[in-house]
Amino acid sequence: GENVEQHPSTLSVQEGDSAVIKCTYSDSASNYFPWYKQELGKRPQLIIDIRSNVGEKKDQRIAVTLNKTAKHFSLHITETQPEDSAVYFCAASKGSNYQLIWGAGTKLIIKP
Amino acid sequence: EAQVTQNPRYLITVTGKKLTVTCSQNMNHEYMSWYRQDPGLGLRQIYYSMNVEVTDKGDVPEGYKVSRKEKRNFPLILESPSPNQTSLYFCASRGDATNTEAFFGQGTRLTVV
Repeated sequence: GENVEQHPSTLSVQEGDSAVIKCTYSDSASNYFPWYKQELGKRPQLIIDIRSNVGEKKDQRIAVTLNKTAKHFSLHITETQPEDSAVYFCAASKGSNYQLIWGAGTKLIIKP
Repeated sequence: EAQVTQNPRYLITVTGKKLTVTCSQNMNHEYMSWYRQDPGLGLRQIYYSMNVEVTDKGDVPEGYKVSRKEKRNFPLILESPSPNQTSLYFCASRGDATNTEAFFGQGTRLTVV
């Protein structure tokens, strides 16, 4: 079955710098790749997603890139701010399968 | 407003005392799922349901039961809770098999003493 690996487990960056979190997946049939943000004590919430027919998607300071050949996708956050501090999860799913396969999460720390 | 509602938000109970955590969604979603989240371990799926009367085990189903008698409700049942079930629990729903957002409930923090 599908397996999603996420790296790094913890990422500490200076405020204003960029952050990149990477995920790899095993099932080449996967075609939907969302990213969720979970603030401390809160529920995970979708921040951006990408489908396999697109290579990159941007929404203000966040972007996601997908490399189908290498089977990996990445979350990019530019000009990081204190409110970006959170745990970020990637996931993958395919076709008619409702199941989302989750990465282990990355704790992003923004240093002032 | 589209939402997934879990109750209770916080629960402290004693070992062996049966409890139910409720989950309800108002989006007419087919798919619902339960996760537990422990420090450093991310989201681990307990059970999921593709539709009414259809449930399946996730990665960590031992010690839990679920039911799906109505589309909107997906309760999580702990028949005999143990301390190792102390965790943060999330219910989630998803409505479209062709890749759409999963909505999470607010979470239930369970402590079993």
